[in-house]
Amino acid sequence: NAGVTQTPKFQVLKTGQSMTLQCAQDMNHEYMSWYRQDPGMGLRLIHYSVGAGITDQGEVPNGYNVSRSTTEDFPLRLLSAAPSQTSVYFCASTSTRISYEQYFGPGTRLTVT
Amino acid sequence: GENVEQHPSTLSVQEGDSAVIKCTYSDSASNYFPWYKQELGKRPQLIIDIRSNVGEKKDQRIAVTLNKTAKHFSLHITETQPEDSAVYFCAASKKNRDDKIIFGKGTRLHILP
Repeated sequence: NAGVTQTPKFQVLKTGQSMTLQCAQDMNHEYMSWYRQDPGMGLRLIHYSVGAGITDQGEVPNGYNVSRSTTEDFPLRLLSAAPSQTSVYFCASTSTRISYEQYFGPGTRLTVT
Repeated sequence: GENVEQHPSTLSVQEGDSAVIKCTYSDSASNYFPWYKQELGKRPQLIIDIRSNVGEKKDQRIAVTLNKTAKHFSLHITETQPEDSAVYFCAASKKNRDDKIIFGKGTRLHILP
């Protein structure tokens, strides 16, 4: 199993550009989530999904969209990038039927100039 | 919504001494409390968790205690070693309800030689 994969690893955007961060898992986990990590701010939940076709907002959803058309994929879209979105983004997945351990992807470091 | 406070933000202990990190949560319906460790440049990984029907759980040098009445839980690391140096995050969740997992801001633990 590859676990949770994220692409790209690094990305630089200009203000106003849009892009999609990709996240995929091959563990058949029903729960997936996106976090951003900023110095001194911990891991803040952006959006999450409890299954295909279902998404919900987390703590800091503004400026981001998500969709969950399949169990495996959970892309995060930045609609119009802003410097405040410079961060490290982690995707995670969990099987709430087995345990509640979250498996994190390797992260995407995003810089918006 | 749930709010998780974590203290201290930084902690330095001599190798071999014990370290304690404390968290409080706001939502009395939360019933699952994991702790994650993040080494420099790596993704967070689960080290121990506790459910609300248990007051204490231990795994070798690591233990977690939960006080539901006071809505706080703590991580205890005994006989600290250099490899314990990392950032530790506590989190809270309402398992089998909305399922989202909210993290504290993290504690950077330094083990001094």
